[in-house]
Amino acid sequence: QVHLVQSGAGVRKPGASVQLSCKTSGYAFTSFAVSWVRQAPGQGLEWMGWISGYSSAYAKTAQKFQGRVRLTTDTSTNTAYLDLRSLTSDDTAVYYCVRCNDILSGNCFFDYWGQGALVSVSS
Amino acid sequence: EIVLRQSPGTLSLSPGERATLSCRASQSLTTSSLAWYQQKPGQAPRLLIFGALSRATGIPDRFSGSGSGTDFTLTISSLESEDFAVYYCQQYGDSPYTFGQGTKLEI
Repeated sequence: QVHLVQSGAGVRKPGASVQLSCKTSGYAFTSFAVSWVRQAPGQGLEWMGWISGYSSAYAKTAQKFQGRVRLTTDTSTNTAYLDLRSLTSDDTAVYYCVRCNDILSGNCFFDYWGQGALVSVSS
Repeated sequence: EIVLRQSPGTLSLSPGERATLSCRASQSLTTSSLAWYQQKPGQAPRLLIFGALSRATGIPDRFSGSGSGTDFTLTISSLESEDFAVYYCQQYGDSPYTFGQGTKLEI
């Protein structure tokens, strides 16, 4: 069974950073990619970025987040990471990691989702 | 950036009725790279349809997708109680991969 288990949720102060983890299992990590999607309270879904499990050289980030987001993977533990810095209250959201079946372009739908990680930004 | 507009914003129906949800793209999705997701309160979204018309694994056949170009439709042929949720369309043909604002299907 495919599973994506997230960790790293919590409260952060404005200006701080957060690292979210997404530990995957049940499939060949290097044959898929991981995207990150967030959802502010009561709002819709927003794609943030994509990184290939095949090679971290294949990655892209939505322009809105460029310079603040870093995507990485650890193929030894089948885990993907999202680092988001310079947090503001607008970053308060549930962050989801999702499996993507395109390892080269990122043009993919999301067939498996993590459980979500709530990040609250507050002083 | 491709903008997706879903209509209606809220759809009020009863169990057993047919639901028709619309998603319109600001540019043609030349490869029919459109997916539909269902989200219930407190849960992660669930993939229903990909490639505009292919059902994901385990999705009942009362869910169907159609459309091409800029106009896409999700149809639920006969609503069951567990179908009342929020539905999102997503295009994945061109980065950034965008979602519609959602349609809330309520009893």
